[in-house]
Amino acid sequence: QQQVKQSPQSLIVQKGGISIINCAYENTAFDYFPWYQQFPGKGPALLIAIRPDVSEKKEGRFTISFNKSAKQFSLHIMDSQPGDSATYFCAASLHDFNKFYFGSGTKLNVKP
Amino acid sequence: DADVTQTPRNRITKTGKRIMLECSQTKGHDRMYWYRQDPGLGLRLIYYSFDVKDINKGEISDGYSVSRQAQAKFSLSLESAIPNQTALYFCATSDPKTGSYEQYFGPGTRLTVT
Repeated sequence: QQQVKQSPQSLIVQKGGISIINCAYENTAFDYFPWYQQFPGKGPALLIAIRPDVSEKKEGRFTISFNKSAKQFSLHIMDSQPGDSATYFCAASLHDFNKFYFGSGTKLNVKP
Repeated sequence: DADVTQTPRNRITKTGKRIMLECSQTKGHDRMYWYRQDPGLGLRLIYYSFDVKDINKGEISDGYSVSRQAQAKFSLSLESAIPNQTALYFCATSDPKTGSYEQYFGPGTRLTVT
């Protein structure tokens, strides 16, 4: 059973639009929620991460929104660009950061 | 990615064969991980190691074994490969002592078992 559920599986957005990817979890002991970005032929790379003591974190065009009561978090990509086309994974970890549980991934295609 | 290397990058093997995937890192990190990636399933943890003498099973360790030969090297073995082990395999490293919880992934090994 997947610890972190991610949706949608794929997403097509026009250039300049907003891309939104959602994740949900059940384990309230999770303490760290990163998002990873993966380009074809490459390994995933950390994009942005949040701890549950804040509801939002923004880095450039990328924002994580975190809803602790709903046990959900989402990635928003503002002004989406064709270069953002990649697969995005959400993940979660306990406070010891020993293991990470990844979502199933979202393949984003930003149309020019 | 150059700090974490994986060999081979692609491998085709037959059912029943033993195969080893290798991972090396120059980041000096203590923690190393092996994941497999399947379409629609994301990344699933196979094994992880916090140092040479500390190896732990992940979510899907059945059919796999690992060896941590040195701080910088972590190998994944399939003792008798089967077709449903066809997947993309990633090695990753991390070191929370640096103050970062980021996992650094290698470029991956695409394994096909026929």
